[in-house]
Amino acid sequence: NAGVMQNPRHLVRRRGQEARLRCSPMKGHSHVYWYRQLPEEGLKFMVYLQKENIIDESGMPKERFSAEFPKEGPSILRIQQVVRGDSAAYFCASSLMDAATNEKLLFGSGTQLSVL
Amino acid sequence: DAKTTQPNSMESNEEEPVHLPCNHSTISGTDYIHWYRQLPSQGPEYVIHGLTSNVNNRMASLAIAEDRKSSTLILHRATLRDAAVYYCILRAPTGNQFYFGTGTSLTVIP
Repeated sequence: NAGVMQNPRHLVRRRGQEARLRCSPMKGHSHVYWYRQLPEEGLKFMVYLQKENIIDESGMPKERFSAEFPKEGPSILRIQQVVRGDSAAYFCASSLMDAATNEKLLFGSGTQLSVL
Repeated sequence: DAKTTQPNSMESNEEEPVHLPCNHSTISGTDYIHWYRQLPSQGPEYVIHGLTSNVNNRMASLAIAEDRKSSTLILHRATLRDAAVYYCILRAPTGNQFYFGTGTSLTVIP
């Protein structure tokens, strides 16, 4: 496993379409975090998940956005009815232990979402 | 998580040491200080972290002030590959999220 894998690397959608972003964590990691980065800004936390559970979604917009991390398969960040303001780089990170252990996060290379 | 203040940008000559400052005057006694960096078109990469004592690893050194209200990331010999945005982050033991802020954009001049 080369680390945290995100796909696609680039995703183009028209307004109103759905965007699905995938994240496969580092082998053995069961904790996944999603961040969004708008142009010229820092990363903003969106959601923290463990296998089959959402632990903290305080950074997720209340509408159109959802995330899951099923027992089998990658974590999915889903954006319904995309708007131009959703255009951003979306990064996934994973860790072996939970947040309380102060462990470092391992990030993927991100998915650049462009909404036309 | 408490917030941090960093200069927007810094420059360094290649092969010179670089000192990247960070102020965190509202840090609590249990907050860890983390540094990550983000190279262009890539995800953030862990650099170093510490609590009270200075820390060294193969990438950098972290100098923490005695009152912990500030810290400095030290790159001992800047290379062109060190050009990146450097984020100073405070992490509470129960925090699920890292607050990244806008970081310091480091330019390395050949």
